[in-house]
This record gives sequence, structure tokens and C-alpha cells, in this order.
Amino acid sequence: DTAVSQTPKYLVTQMGNDKSIKCEQNLGHDTMYWYKQDSKKFLKIMFSYNNKELIINETVPNRFSPKSPDKAHLNLHINSLELGDSAVYFCASSKWDSGNTIYFGEGSWLTVV
Amino acid sequence: AQTVTQSQPEMSVQEAETVTLSCTYDTSESDYYLFWYKQPPSRQMILVIRQEAYKQQNATENRFSVNFQKAAKSFSLKISDSQLGDAAMYFCAYLPNTGNQFYFGTGTSLTVIP
Repeated sequence: DTAVSQTPKYLVTQMGNDKSIKCEQNLGHDTMYWYKQDSKKFLKIMFSYNNKELIINETVPNRFSPKSPDKAHLNLHINSLELGDSAVYFCASSKWDSGNTIYFGEGSWLTVV
Repeated sequence: AQTVTQSQPEMSVQEAETVTLSCTYDTSESDYYLFWYKQPPSRQMILVIRQEAYKQQNATENRFSVNFQKAAKSFSLKISDSQLGDAAMYFCAYLPNTGNQFYFGTGTSLTVIP
């Protein structure tokens, strides 16, 4: 059973399109995240939700909009895709408690052409 | 502000040898958690080892161990008897006790030479 699953795993799309990436976790965690990993493999936090509430919102373009319908899901919608959005997007989850480990999904490879 | 620094962008080790990856962090907190994650070419992020700052004993997981120096704010990862499957990107991460934001270093790419 996959603990943190995200779909699609691969996505190739044209500039200007709108796309969504979905994420689900079955670990019973209450906190979920979106990270972006660029070509240099730097991991950058984008958003974090705790119990469906946005708690971390780093400086990302307004074209990126997260949505958390419940504690087990955190989706990422991207409008008007740009070439610079090409990256691997990781969903992750953890339990809001001292020192709990963060678990990652397999990543969604987004290529904008 | 908390920052995590990995000063070695790339490292290499001969198969069966030992290698140490460095990590330093900056924090004013006294209680926190430290992690090492491995990212093989598949890009899956895999937890390698975890250390609680209040524990003086260094964490160990099979061939992986850490050297945690709290005063120096240093958290290095030692891989013993290196195997080809250890080749990956390794990320050091910090989590304060009072929050849920993980801070990641920039990673060290480890090559294992047969």
C-alpha cells in the first residue's frame, strides 16, 4: 500500500495550459506539504496544510493554488504554466507532533514545453 | 532563521569503504530533530536516519550512523561498507520542536565506485 500517492507521475504540457496534481495519504497524518525540486535538485517548500488549514505559504506565484478538501488530500493546481515551472513536485505528509518524520510521495515530473 | 548547510555538493567512495557526509545547521532552538534522506535516481525520497537533539547517543541504522555534535551544530552521516545501491543524493533536514516546517540542505551527490 502506497503511503503518499500522487498523480500523475509524469506530465508534459504546453505553455499557457492549466494542470492539476493530486495527492493522497493513507497514514492518518494531519499535515501535508508541496515541495518543488528544480533541475539542481534543490528542495523548496511551497505550501503546507494542517487539518485543511494553510499554515505555510512560501513566496510562489499566484498561479499556484493548493486545495485541501480533507486531511488526507492536498491537490495543487497550476494556471498559465510557464517554462520555469518545469520541475519535480513532491507531495509529503507528517503528523503534527514533535519530531515526526515527513513521508514523501514519488514525485510528479512536470515538463512545460 | 534556521538554515541547513551541506558543504559537499559531490562525494565519491570506493565500494566497501566508508564515507562521511557533512551537514551543519543554524538554530537558536534547544530542542529539535535532524534527519538524513536519500534520493536515488528514481527520485523517491527515503528516510535514512533520524536523531532527536535531546538524545546524546548517536542514531544508528545498520550501516548508517550519525555523528551528532550539538554544540557545534553538526550532524554528519557515516556510511560503512558502501554498496552500489547507496549511490544517490543525500539530503540533511532539520525540524524544530515547535513547528512542522522541515528545512532541507542543498544535498550531496554520492557516487559509489565499483
